Amino acid sequence: AQSVTQLGSHVSVSEGALVLLRCNYSSSVPPYLFWYVQYPNQGLQLLLKYTSAATLVKGINGFEAEFKKSETSFHLTKPSAHMSDAAEYFCAVIGAGSYQLTFGKGTKLSVIP
Amino acid sequence: DGGITQSPKYLFRKEGQNVTLSCEQNLNHDAMYWYRQDPGQGLRLIYYSQIVNDFQKGDIAEGYSVSREKKESFPLTVTSAQKNPTAFYLCASSSPGRLLETQYFGPGTRLLVL
Repeated sequence: AQSVTQLGSHVSVSEGALVLLRCNYSSSVPPYLFWYVQYPNQGLQLLLKYTSAATLVKGINGFEAEFKKSETSFHLTKPSAHMSDAAEYFCAVIGAGSYQLTFGKGTKLSVIP
Repeated sequence: DGGITQSPKYLFRKEGQNVTLSCEQNLNHDAMYWYRQDPGQGLRLIYYSQIVNDFQKGDIAEGYSVSREKKESFPLTVTSAQKNPTAFYLCASSSPGRLLETQYFGPGTRLLVL
């Protein structure tokens, strides 16, 4: 069984400030981990994914995430927020050999000018 | 361009009516998925299909049905048995077995009840 917890359903940051979106997972097998972004009334777009090749993963739009096994975390960061980053972000986990992607409940990011 | 298309963008259902949501992909992916999204709930898996003519129930399959007659297509029917169908429905596809397993999503269909 696997699950994902995203801390904070809504996060607000000022433009130019650090973005930190938190994700903790539980998985009985070595996991693959994903971050997706969703803009209003649109589908999900893949930001980045962890597949055990490297613990620090770089994605699109300047985002990155670090896999920390000891903390069962996969937090998403971006050094400087841009207005276009305002969206909802979903962390997801899939166990190796599984077809079922399990999503967190999402974190809505607001960027204040 | 390869991708996933969903239609219609908005769909209205009357009481007691069955409605069908379309999902088509030209990515040559074997697996396809249907998710339901409600505000603050994340995405929940309704059905998935790994190959043509085969599909499995997800976490919330009650009140829904699917078919997979072609590799490219995975339509979802919301039946009258689904008492709370208002939601945003997302279709996805992937290539199981490849090293970098990733699900790609369509633009979604918003279903509203009249």
